[in-house]
Formats: sequence, C-alpha cells, structure tokens
Amino acid sequence: EAQVTQNPRYLITVTGKKLTVTCSQNMNHEYMSWYRQDPGLGLRQIYYSMNVEVTDKGDVPEGYKVSRKEKRNFPLILESPSPNQTSLYFCASSSLAGGYNEQFFGPGTRLTVL
Amino acid sequence: AQSVTQPDIHITVSEGASLELRCNYSYGATPYLFWYVQSPGQGLQLLLKYFSGDTLVQGIKGFEAEFKRSQSSFNLRKPSVHWSDAAEYFCAVGAHNAGNMLTFGGGTRLMVKP
Repeated sequence: EAQVTQNPRYLITVTGKKLTVTCSQNMNHEYMSWYRQDPGLGLRQIYYSMNVEVTDKGDVPEGYKVSRKEKRNFPLILESPSPNQTSLYFCASSSLAGGYNEQFFGPGTRLTVL
Repeated sequence: AQSVTQPDIHITVSEGASLELRCNYSYGATPYLFWYVQSPGQGLQLLLKYFSGDTLVQGIKGFEAEFKRSQSSFNLRKPSVHWSDAAEYFCAVGAHNAGNMLTFGGGTRLMVKP
C-alpha cells in the first residue's frame, strides 16, 4: 500500500531534549516536506526536499533541522525543543514528474514540549 | 507570494442541508487549488483538486468545487451534508514555480447537527 509513515505518533518531551521524528514514504517520490499545524493557522511548511541531499527552508524553519540521505526518508530534528514547538506535525511527499502533483500526507505526529 | 483565506473558522449545518465553504486565494498566475479534509485524529485526505480545464471539479464523498478566476475563489460545496462530514477542511494553493510548495488556509471546522 502506498503510504507515508511517521513515528512516533505522539510524543511528550521536555525543553531542550533533542528529538527526531521520522518520516518514510514507499512511493519513490522525489519531493518530501514537513508541515506544522496550529489552530487557526492551518498548515505551515517547515522544510522541504526536492531530492536526496537537497533541502530548503519553508515558511517556519527556525528551531528545526532536516536531512535527506535516502530518497524514502526525511527525518525532522529538533535539537533543543521549546514549548512553542508544541504542535501537530505532518510529513508529505509527492512526485515531481510531469509538473505539479498532489502531495500525500502522513498521519501526523502530535508533539508536546513541557 | 501566494496566500489563502478561509473566512469562516466554524460552520454548523443541519444534516441533509447544503454546504458551502469559502476559499479565497492570492496568486499571480493560474493556481493549482486543493481542498483537503481532516477528520478528528486523522491526517489530511485530498477531496479534490483543480489544475486546469473545467472550472467545476468533482471530488470524493459527493463534494465539488468551482474555480472562479474573477473572484479569486475556490469554494467547496456539497448538496446534502451527512453527519460523517463533520471535520476540518483546508483549502490550499500550489505554486508551480516554487518547488511544489503548498500554502494552506487556516481551515474551517464543520459541525453537523442531527
């Protein structure tokens, strides 16, 4: 089944404790992206990647890092989480073949930073 | 830069009534437009999309949307709402010259009265 998976689905942590949220897709998509969802703000893009070893900032990259060492994986790293990073996070992927294509979203990771 | 506005944060309709969710966008060229639905505790599911051609697009679950260039709108409609349609709905615009980027509106939460 074609899908985007994220782990963990739920995470409660404390300020300053480094964490990684994993994202993996099995559709051989070139494009992957991370979003955060906050009430009233919709989804805002954090980082995106057009292909392996190619990443770029989205609208709200501060406090986050990403890497794209393999095509299928795009982990989101919070080196020193703070309470304002408490949010619902979504990973997405899409093909870049033939122009613009729809993005497929993972199930989300709900992060709470105390 | 593109932007999306969903003027209604909350909407309540009675089961069986018709529904229209508003979406206005700002983009300098012909946009790619999307409607996503997020059921409680779930990820985002694509309802429908507009890339080009017929301005009235049909989606899943009985939804449709109409692209009106003159009004910069892409409103979502359904003739008869079911209780299972209660969810949050997001309109999004895609920029084909910005790396597959999606810009989301703030979302509209739909509640359905029995």
